[in-house]
Amino acid sequence: SQTIHQWPATLVQPVGSPLSLECTVEGTSNPNLYWYRQAAGRGLQLLFYSVGIGQISSEVPQNLSASRPQDRQFILSSKKLLLSDSGFYLCAWSLGGLSGDEQYFGPGTRLTVT
Amino acid sequence: KNQVEQSPQSLIILEGKNCTLQCNYTVSPFSNLRWYKQDTGRGPVSLTIMTFSENTKSNGRYTATLDADTKQSSLHITASQLSDSASYICVALSGGSYIPTFGRGTSLIVHP
Repeated sequence: SQTIHQWPATLVQPVGSPLSLECTVEGTSNPNLYWYRQAAGRGLQLLFYSVGIGQISSEVPQNLSASRPQDRQFILSSKKLLLSDSGFYLCAWSLGGLSGDEQYFGPGTRLTVT
Repeated sequence: KNQVEQSPQSLIILEGKNCTLQCNYTVSPFSNLRWYKQDTGRGPVSLTIMTFSENTKSNGRYTATLDADTKQSSLHITASQLSDSASYICVALSGGSYIPTFGRGTSLIVHP
């Protein structure tokens, strides 16, 4: 069966510090991968998605970046965090291609920028 | 522009009661619609997924309906339990797209 992991579960970082969140998927090959952010009381905002190694599409201009160094690994980074980067970050995967299959979400990372 | 609107924004009910959550979507071309349940501090979990040809789909005490003509969907929860307290998110996907459109969710609180 497929599983998705995210770490860390919680993170408190000062403004201006770097960020690296990692997501890995097991039990499937060539998945579509997604990074979302959910601010308190708000809906899910798509940040990045990837349909293959090294292929990253950005949906929202920001000081964040994403990379996919391996087929089942997706990394969200920032060189300098802003207060507005605080939120709940979710990684998700779906079957590859434009099949419209459902997305499976990881447990999330709660980021607080102080 | 693709949009998903959910109502009500929040809902409080007593344990054992039924409730219905609403979702209106503007997604073209429409591919499928999903309902997710998100417990506080956790990732969303899929409840149902429906294509345009499906009118109703059930998952235990959860029943989703879809009216492709009016572009409306509802999620009916029967005999609510305390564990139903969560945010319920409606998500629509357009054909040929990797990117779903999320509603803001309905926050449901079930009181004993």
